[in-house]
Amino acid sequence: NAGVTQTPKFQVLKTGQSMTLQCAQDMNHEYMSWYRQDPGMGLRLIHYSVGAGITDQGEVPNGYNVSRSTTEDFPLRLLSAAPSQTSVYFCASSSPGSGYGYTFGSGTRLTVV
Amino acid sequence: QQQVKQSPQSLIVQKGGISIINCAYENTAFDYFPWYQQFPGKGPALLIAIRPDVSEKKEGRFTISFNKSAKQFSLHIMDSQPGDSATYFCAAVYGGATNKLIFGTGTLLAVQP
Repeated sequence: NAGVTQTPKFQVLKTGQSMTLQCAQDMNHEYMSWYRQDPGMGLRLIHYSVGAGITDQGEVPNGYNVSRSTTEDFPLRLLSAAPSQTSVYFCASSSPGSGYGYTFGSGTRLTVV
Repeated sequence: QQQVKQSPQSLIVQKGGISIINCAYENTAFDYFPWYQQFPGKGPALLIAIRPDVSEKKEGRFTISFNKSAKQFSLHIMDSQPGDSATYFCAAVYGGATNKLIFGTGTLLAVQP
């Protein structure tokens, strides 16, 4: 049982490049979310999903796109990377059966130069 | 605008002492209040959680106190140990279908031996 798997663990991008951060969970959780963590700002919600085909914006959605075609996968896309998107990104999943507690992946450290 | 306010930003406690972290919120749509613990290089992990109809919850050395009328809640770590040194986040979950999880800004706890 792997839980929440994020890839890659580290990534360096040039300004303007695009990329997709991958997230997969094997717990059949309905809810999935993406967060970014920056010093002194905690974890801020980027996008979230309540099930396959349903996504919505969080606190800081600009510059990011998501889709959820399956229950297991919730990729995060950066269309045109900017230095302000340098951060650590976490994916998380949850379900009512888990007591609404979220399980987090180990994170992706992204640097945009 | 920070939906969940957390203090202090950092905390130093002697081994065996009590660590106290405070949080406050405004939105009454929140209906679940978890605390997460994060070690360097790892994703946050659920530590303990409470619902607003309960004033206190204790699990081992960790206790949540909840004041619904004041919209405040706090984490107490009794007999603090060096292994408790980590970043602690309070959080709040929206009720209803979204299960959206919003974090405070975090408290870096250092327990000195």
